[in-house]
Amino acid sequence: QKEVEQNSGPLSVPEGAIASLNCTYSDRGSQSFFWYRQYSGKSPELIMFIYSNGDKEDGRFTAQLNKASQYVSLLIRDSQPSDSATYLCAVFSGAGSYQLTFGKGTKLSVIP
Amino acid sequence: EPEVTQTPSHQVTQMGQEVILHCVPISNHLYFYWYRQILGQKVEFLVSFYNNEISEKSEIFDDQFSVERPDGSNFTLKIRSTKLEDSAMYFCASSAGASDTQYFGPGTRLTVL
Repeated sequence: QKEVEQNSGPLSVPEGAIASLNCTYSDRGSQSFFWYRQYSGKSPELIMFIYSNGDKEDGRFTAQLNKASQYVSLLIRDSQPSDSATYLCAVFSGAGSYQLTFGKGTKLSVIP
Repeated sequence: EPEVTQTPSHQVTQMGQEVILHCVPISNHLYFYWYRQILGQKVEFLVSFYNNEISEKSEIFDDQFSVERPDGSNFTLKIRSTKLEDSAMYFCASSAGASDTQYFGPGTRLTVL
């Protein structure tokens, strides 16, 4: 059974601060990792993806992957109130499997 | 920017009735998916579809569920005899390749009474 674990939060940060969101996964062979943002009652919206160990930056967002530790994280710099949402970590295992396995999500609240 | 569309946005049905949820994937995408999210719970995979056949399905996707691509643009999920526990948001997604990013539609909220 493939598992993706996230701290459900809520994580509260002041406006302008760095928000750090974490995710661990159980399938060591997993190939790619995605962060989606989900506003209440809405669908998951892709923030970014990462395939290789290390950091990947896109604007205010940085994804970090450590396959040895089976750990992926998302940093949001200069957090804005509009960043308040639930952040979903999703893992693609590959190897004949087509599905994304999602974590329960971390609810982020950015306080003005 | 191309996007996945879904209709209806909200479907209310009586237990035991059949429902069909509709999706139009992104036009040049080849892989199609259905996921569901029960209120307050995680997004769960139901089925993936490629080259006009199911490529993978989860334990949730039992004989009550079926998928179809009736024409070149639509992708449907049918639930034959709905149960109360089928009440959830159903998301359609599509991707260009098997390991490419999956883009999600806005969802259909299914309420079974």
